Amino acid sequence: ETGVTQSPTHLIKTRGQQVTLRCSSQSGHNTVSWYQQALGQGPQFIFQYYREEENGRGNFPPRFSGLQFPNYSSELNVNALELDDSALYLCASSFVGRSEQYFGPGTRLTVT
Amino acid sequence: QQQVKQSPQSLIVQKGGISIINCAYENTAFDYFPWYQQFPGKGPALLIAIRPDVSEKKEGRFTISFNKSAKQFSLHIMDSQPGDSATYFCAASMTGSGNTGKLIFGQGTTLQVKP
Repeated sequence: ETGVTQSPTHLIKTRGQQVTLRCSSQSGHNTVSWYQQALGQGPQFIFQYYREEENGRGNFPPRFSGLQFPNYSSELNVNALELDDSALYLCASSFVGRSEQYFGPGTRLTVT
Repeated sequence: QQQVKQSPQSLIVQKGGISIINCAYENTAFDYFPWYQQFPGKGPALLIAIRPDVSEKKEGRFTISFNKSAKQFSLHIMDSQPGDSATYFCAASMTGSGNTGKLIFGQGTTLQVKP
């Protein structure tokens, strides 16, 4: 069974740029959730994708958007990057109807 | 009402001791309470979870105690080992039909187990 994978591991961007982060779900999982974890804080829910559609969203602006593909992999896109977007971005996969969410290793984004 | 409050912020325990981390919530609609363990530079790993119809769940050295009336739950790590040194997060979610199951996390507890 393959776990959740994310790419890239680290990324450095400049304020105002755009970034795309990628996630591959754990084998058999069809739901992907994205979380933002600021340094020293707990993860915060950004949004969830199921059946290639957004299935719920946290308190994040529209410049945070996502996609889910037929193979259940997912992308997180952030436009007009701000310094406060610097964080660890985590992807979690789950199976619809099941409570357990399994996290990937995360992508560390630094905005300068 | 969506908050989960976790304490203490940091904890130092001697090897072989018991580590106890506490969490409190307000929203009685939460019905799933997991604990995650996170090592530096890694993603959170699901450790153990409980539902409100059970007062205690044990898996190996890890035990969750759940007090529904007090809206509190805690993680007990028995026989703590240096390898348990990590940051621990409690979380809560609503998992019923129509809910995303999004996890609301506590602020985290950094555990150091001294040899």
